[in-house]
Amino acid sequence: ETGVTQTPRHLVMGMTNKKSLKCEQHLGHNAMYWYKQSAKKPLELMFVYNFKEQTENNSVPSRFSPECPNSSHLFLHLHTLQPEDSALYLCASSQEGRGNSPLHFGNGTRLTVT
Amino acid sequence: AQSVTQLGSHVSVSEGALVLLRCNYSSSVPPYLFWYVQYPNQGLQLLLKYTTGATLVKGINGFEAEFKKSETSFHLTKPSAHMSDAAEYFCAVSEGSNYKLTFGKGTLLTVNP
Repeated sequence: ETGVTQTPRHLVMGMTNKKSLKCEQHLGHNAMYWYKQSAKKPLELMFVYNFKEQTENNSVPSRFSPECPNSSHLFLHLHTLQPEDSALYLCASSQEGRGNSPLHFGNGTRLTVT
Repeated sequence: AQSVTQLGSHVSVSEGALVLLRCNYSSSVPPYLFWYVQYPNQGLQLLLKYTTGATLVKGINGFEAEFKKSETSFHLTKPSAHMSDAAEYFCAVSEGSNYKLTFGKGTLLTVNP
């Protein structure tokens, strides 16, 4: 039990599909994050929510749409993705959005776009 | 802007040997530094962090790292490698109140019997 739970663990979708990734944290944290992990690349920060407010959108294409209904839940809605979007998508949380608060990660969703 | 360089994308050691994973950073302000470990099919787990104070930081599983400002380094070490240490290790930096963590590309550690 990592404290941060992501579902599904694996997802295969076509380029015309719409799907959503879900993340839930049980740590009482106030900040939640989406990261993209591709092979041979550093982790890429996608979105940050602090106290349910989006505070960072790191130039992510609009085919990725985040939603944070409360401090414990985070979603990533996907539509009309491209094959290059195939990656491991990691959700993380921290006590608050500050540089010295370590991130707690979920186990990720392995996304394959066909 | 902050950045992280991990020297060596792949390090291989024998069981019982010293583990040394190198990390250099750049930051315009005093940095916060982290090492994370990722086992196969899992997310990242915090090994240790440096924020302020003592420059030698001890973490989980017998790992430690030393913050050297003059060398802008934060190398990770473990005196004796164990088979269970085989994983990918990521160094990361953030600047003060800036919550954005910048990660290195990672170093894959292989431990040979």
